[in-house]
Amino acid sequence: QVQLQESGPGLVKPSETLSLTCTVSGDSITSYYWSWIRQPPGKGLEWIGYIYYSGSTNYNPSLKSRVTISVDTSKSQFSLKLSSVTTADTAVYYCARSTRLFYYGSGNYSPDAFDIWGQGTLVTVSS
Amino acid sequence: EIVLTQSPGTLSLSPGERATLSCRASQSVSSSYLAWYQQKPGQAPRLLLHGASSRAAGIPDRFSGSGSGTDFTLTISRLEPEDFAVYYCQQYGSSPGTFGQGTKVEIK
Repeated sequence: QVQLQESGPGLVKPSETLSLTCTVSGDSITSYYWSWIRQPPGKGLEWIGYIYYSGSTNYNPSLKSRVTISVDTSKSQFSLKLSSVTTADTAVYYCARSTRLFYYGSGNYSPDAFDIWGQGTLVTVSS
Repeated sequence: EIVLTQSPGTLSLSPGERATLSCRASQSVSSSYLAWYQQKPGQAPRLLLHGASSRAAGIPDRFSGSGSGTDFTLTISRLEPEDFAVYYCQQYGSSPGTFGQGTKVEIK
């Protein structure tokens, strides 16, 4: 069965870049769409962006200027970089899978519902 | 972006009772592209329903969804002890996809 596992530093200093990796096991990374989603402590969920194995991406406009998502198909991994972090970026970061992608014009896409999730990793932004 | 408002914020019920959760969208959700998730403390969300009413794999039939346009409902017909959790709706009928703020179903 498909499993996702997030990894990366649990503590990042303000103004630095947050870097996380999601490793996909049990299925091919080339068959689906892969997203990053975050959840500040005690709060709701926010979609950050998605990537396809070809490298196609789409980001939430609220974070677009600071986000880069990349993929390494040889390692079955995809990664998140979030630059210039502040304490507001403290959250549990999840990677998740979607089976379809929808196009809504003007270069805007939205993945299908997220059917598989990683366990999540807490990233704290603090000096 | 579409804002989803869930109500009530907290629902206090007893095992065996029926739970009705609401999700209202600020604009019509295209093609009823709305999903519901269950999240327990310290765990990732779990997909329950997609397309407003289609159950995900392995989800018991006591969970059902309905609605279209701007108003959607998640119903749990008879609450089991393991159903006490936080529930989120999510729309993917426009970009960016957005989530509601959640409804907590707690034991009365």
